[in-house]
Amino acid sequence: ETGVTQTPRHLVMGMTNKKSLKCEQHLGHNAMYWYKQSAKKPLELMFVYNFKEQTENNSVPSRFSPECPNSSHLFLHLHTLQPEDSALYLCASSHGGTDTQYFGPGTRLTVL
Amino acid sequence: GQQLNQSPQSMFIQEGEDVSMNCTSSSIFNTWLWYKQDPGEGPVLLIALYKAGELTSNGRLTAQFGITRKDSFLNISASIPSDVGIYFCAGQETGYSTLTFGKGTMLLVSP
Repeated sequence: ETGVTQTPRHLVMGMTNKKSLKCEQHLGHNAMYWYKQSAKKPLELMFVYNFKEQTENNSVPSRFSPECPNSSHLFLHLHTLQPEDSALYLCASSHGGTDTQYFGPGTRLTVL
Repeated sequence: GQQLNQSPQSMFIQEGEDVSMNCTSSSIFNTWLWYKQDPGEGPVLLIALYKAGELTSNGRLTAQFGITRKDSFLNISASIPSDVGIYFCAGQETGYSTLTFGKGTMLLVSP
């Protein structure tokens, strides 16, 4: 099994839908991250979880709701999104404190 | 917050040429990382640098952590078509802070 997996790889949703993105890491890491990658912008950190506790929330709108049930799994729950939320959503993990982050393949999200 | 300036934004080169790209920051970093991202995939870690002045190689790739701790460069020697992608630098200010990413350098290699 590869290090960090994400499902689905592609998602198209309407503005009234509710969907969830899933991330799983098989590296024994303690920290997990959600990033948003839009065209021509640097990666934007959204959320950080360390030992299942949320340690960072970079002013992300409440229509994005993270969940970390254990140190291997991370979810991003989506509801009432806007078209400008269309982007590649990347999950990453690392050993707590060393910050060498390993990324998943991403979920390409399109909001209609 | 801190910013990373990565240059060039894009490069179009011939196969076999050497490539150089760099990142500069307004803050001192303790760690520099270089990632490559292929289309439709997540970034893959290429090289990690943890000490000022450190020079590290990974095959045809070489990266250096600048002495001032505010810059880093990545060189690719004898480029090949599969080097195509977007290369990102990332820096970290302290041992427990999050990463700051550059905007990326898009590399295109002509056979």
